[in-house]
Amino acid sequence: DAGVTQSPTHLIKTRGQQVTLRCSPKSGHDTVSWYQQALGQGPQFIFQYYEEEERQRGNFPDRFSGHQFPNYSSELNVNALLLGDSALYLCASSQQGRVQYFGPGTRLTVT
Amino acid sequence: KNEVEQSPQNLTAQEGEFITINCSYSVGISALHWLQQHPGGGIVSLFMLSSGKKKHGRLIATINIQEKHSSLHITASHPRDSAVYICAVRSSGGSNYKLTFGKGTLLTVNP
Repeated sequence: DAGVTQSPTHLIKTRGQQVTLRCSPKSGHDTVSWYQQALGQGPQFIFQYYEEEERQRGNFPDRFSGHQFPNYSSELNVNALLLGDSALYLCASSQQGRVQYFGPGTRLTVT
Repeated sequence: KNEVEQSPQNLTAQEGEFITINCSYSVGISALHWLQQHPGGGIVSLFMLSSGKKKHGRLIATINIQEKHSSLHITASHPRDSAVYICAVRSSGGSNYKLTFGKGTLLTVNP
């Protein structure tokens, strides 16, 4: 059984560009959460998707948006990239509030 | 003040030593998680607990709900235990699903 997978592994973008990150949850999981982890910091909650709806959102601007598909996979989109968006983006999946399983992350560098 | 505080920030130990990492939080919680993050980013969930004590191999996690405090202990530490250990809480409340993370404790175990 594959765990949580994320793509791409690494990504370099330029300020002002847009980026899409992808996450496939662990088999049997219906909930996907996204986190941003800046260097040397703990992860910060971006939002959580359940039943294709954004169920809860953290303190992130509207430039951060997401989507969940019927197969429970999810995308994180960031528009108008800023240098400060450079971070490790983590996806975690779970089943109805149970333990969250984390993916390996996507490291985004904005230049 | 962060909702979740960890101590120490950095910890260096010799192989075989008993290690304790502490986590204090300021909100009511429904669950507390201990996570391990290796260089490169991947996060592994070690424990999820809401009361008492859990043990898995050489790892022990305890929580005191009244004192809003949790500890992670590693017995007979080994160099492969070197990683960042992160405490995260899920605040109580039916509509809250996010995890709030501490900044992590960097553990280095020397042979």
